[in-house]
Amino acid sequence: DAGVIQSPRHEVTEMGQEVTLRCKPISGHDYLFWYRQTMMRGLELLIYFNNNVPIDDSGMPEDRFSAKMPNASFSTLKIQPSEPRDSAVYFCASSYHMMNTEAFFGQGTRLTVV
Amino acid sequence: DAKTTQPNSMESNEEEPVHLPCNHSTISGTDYIHWYRQLPSQGPEYVIHGLTSNVNNRMASLAIAEDRKSSTLILHRATLRDAAVYYCILYSGAGSYQLTFGKGTKLSVIP
Repeated sequence: DAGVIQSPRHEVTEMGQEVTLRCKPISGHDYLFWYRQTMMRGLELLIYFNNNVPIDDSGMPEDRFSAKMPNASFSTLKIQPSEPRDSAVYFCASSYHMMNTEAFFGQGTRLTVV
Repeated sequence: DAKTTQPNSMESNEEEPVHLPCNHSTISGTDYIHWYRQLPSQGPEYVIHGLTSNVNNRMASLAIAEDRKSSTLILHRATLRDAAVYYCILYSGAGSYQLTFGKGTKLSVIP
């Protein structure tokens, strides 16, 4: 397996534009996570899915953020409208059972909102 | 959430063992102890995990205190590629996913 695949790797957008980040988890994994990493706040869990169903979105910063998982092999994180403070590296990860197994992370998407 | 405490930074000489400590005094009986590391410009990478007993794998060893209130990640021979931020994380058994990354320990390896 190629691992968790995220696209794009880098995204530069203007404030107010819609941004969509994409993730393809490892085949067969039933958990998918979206994280955001900044220097100030470190790694933060935004939302996670189990079997394509959002389970906990308490980490989503505000209504401008939304995430979907239409099928087991694809998830999106959308920011609309984007703001400069959304600039960060966004990671997607997937795993089997949560507690007794490892999570595999993608390479991340570096988002810059100008 | 059960919290972990780690030193902000540590240094090691290349080819020497490294002991990275983690305190988790409020750990519950069902919490697993996981360690991840993040190399520069990469996503976090799984290192090892355990519940009560010490664990070994090809990357490292995990020593867990008898009362489970602390643990130590052991890299047996540090290489330059081991320079990274190491995170000690507790997986909560409370049903909701509580994988919380702290600030971690930045390990520098000196040639």
